[in-house]
Amino acid sequence: NAGVTQTPKFQVLKTGQSMTLQCAQDMNHNSMYWYRQDPGMGLRLIYYSASEGTTDKGEVPNGYNVSRLNKREFSLRLESAAPSQTSVYFCASSGWTGSYEQYFGPGTRLTVT
Amino acid sequence: EDKVVQSPLSLVVHEGDTVTLNCSYEVTNFRSLLWYKQEKKAPTFLFMLTSSGIEKKSGRLSSILDKKELSSILNITATQTGDSAIYLCAVKGSQGNLIFGKGTKLSVKP
Repeated sequence: NAGVTQTPKFQVLKTGQSMTLQCAQDMNHNSMYWYRQDPGMGLRLIYYSASEGTTDKGEVPNGYNVSRLNKREFSLRLESAAPSQTSVYFCASSGWTGSYEQYFGPGTRLTVT
Repeated sequence: EDKVVQSPLSLVVHEGDTVTLNCSYEVTNFRSLLWYKQEKKAPTFLFMLTSSGIEKKSGRLSSILDKKELSSILNITATQTGDSAIYLCAVKGSQGNLIFGKGTKLSVKP
């Protein structure tokens, strides 16, 4: 039981490049989330998916797109990376959006030069 | 706008000290408050508080919620170097998602 997994762990992009961050969970959770964490800013919600087939914007969605591929997988795409998107990205899941405990993946450290 | 404010932002103590971390919130339709510990990687769950005045305890860590004051504290007694981490407070907001504070960075020196 791996919990929440993320790939890659590290990535360096040049401004304007695109990439997709992958997230998968094996806990049969309905809800999944993408956060970014910047120094001194705490965790900020980018997008979330309450259930398979639905996605909604969080606090900081600009510059990102998401896909809930199936119940297990939730990907985050940067279409044209900008230096302001340099951050650590965490994926999380919970039983449902009303479930308060979220389980986090190990994070992806992204640098955009 | 929903918000969660933690204080202090950083704290340095010596092993054996007792520390108190604070979290205050302004959230529509409050449901619960959670504490997480974040070491080098992902946050890990510590406590969930829903009722005012009931202390949750796990070893040397304890937490209590004060709904009247819209706040919570996290206490750590007899601190150890392994307690060094960022402690995050989160509250379920009006949109149904967790709103996180900026965290308190605790450093415990030997």
